[in-house]
Amino acid sequence: KNEVEQSPQNLTAQEGEFITINCSYSVGISALHWLQQHPGGGIVSLFMLSSGKKKHGRLIATINIQEKHSSLHITASHPRDSAVYICAVRKGNEKLTFGTGTRLTIIP
Amino acid sequence: NAGVTQTPKFRVLKTGQSMTLLCAQDMNHEYMYWYRQDPGMGLRLIHYSVGEGTTAKGEVPDGYNVSRLKKQNFLLGLESAAPSQTSVYFCASSPTANYGYTFGSGTRLTVV
Repeated sequence: KNEVEQSPQNLTAQEGEFITINCSYSVGISALHWLQQHPGGGIVSLFMLSSGKKKHGRLIATINIQEKHSSLHITASHPRDSAVYICAVRKGNEKLTFGTGTRLTIIP
Repeated sequence: NAGVTQTPKFRVLKTGQSMTLLCAQDMNHEYMYWYRQDPGMGLRLIHYSVGEGTTAKGEVPDGYNVSRLKKQNFLLGLESAAPSQTSVYFCASSPTANYGYTFGSGTRLTVV
């Protein structure tokens, strides 16, 4: 079993829909990262969080340490949000362990 | 304001050839990383560096070597390329271990 599991693997939605992507992990962590990878490859860091909730524009990330679970939400989704969203966790000062990503497609 | 720059962006190698991938960052970050990304798998750490002159193995180091002679540059070398090294390679940097990463745009390597 991977230390980091994301669901769903693929998600297709209509423009304007509220999107939720989930990340579950099996070990104690010091921080969790959400990353975005657009077609063509570039990877951008969206959030780093260790508790609670963070918001940036239409993106919201939450984490529940007790349940070892994080969610990434996108409000009022737009075709430009189409990308692969990757969850990664850090244990203490160790390096990041990455999930396999969720491929999101927003249809106009 | 370049951030992390990887060169080259694409490369095709024949089995047994060697090459070096260059990663350069202009943010004065201490930590630098090389990852490979393969279909259906998460990013996997090849080697990393915690400062100028230091290198360490990640989870998939075999067949690769690295050097960090200058703080801003982290080189990844393939001495004798194999088809199993066909992948997309990403470099990343961070100011400390407990900070967000800045990624390069990737190098798509095909070994035939």
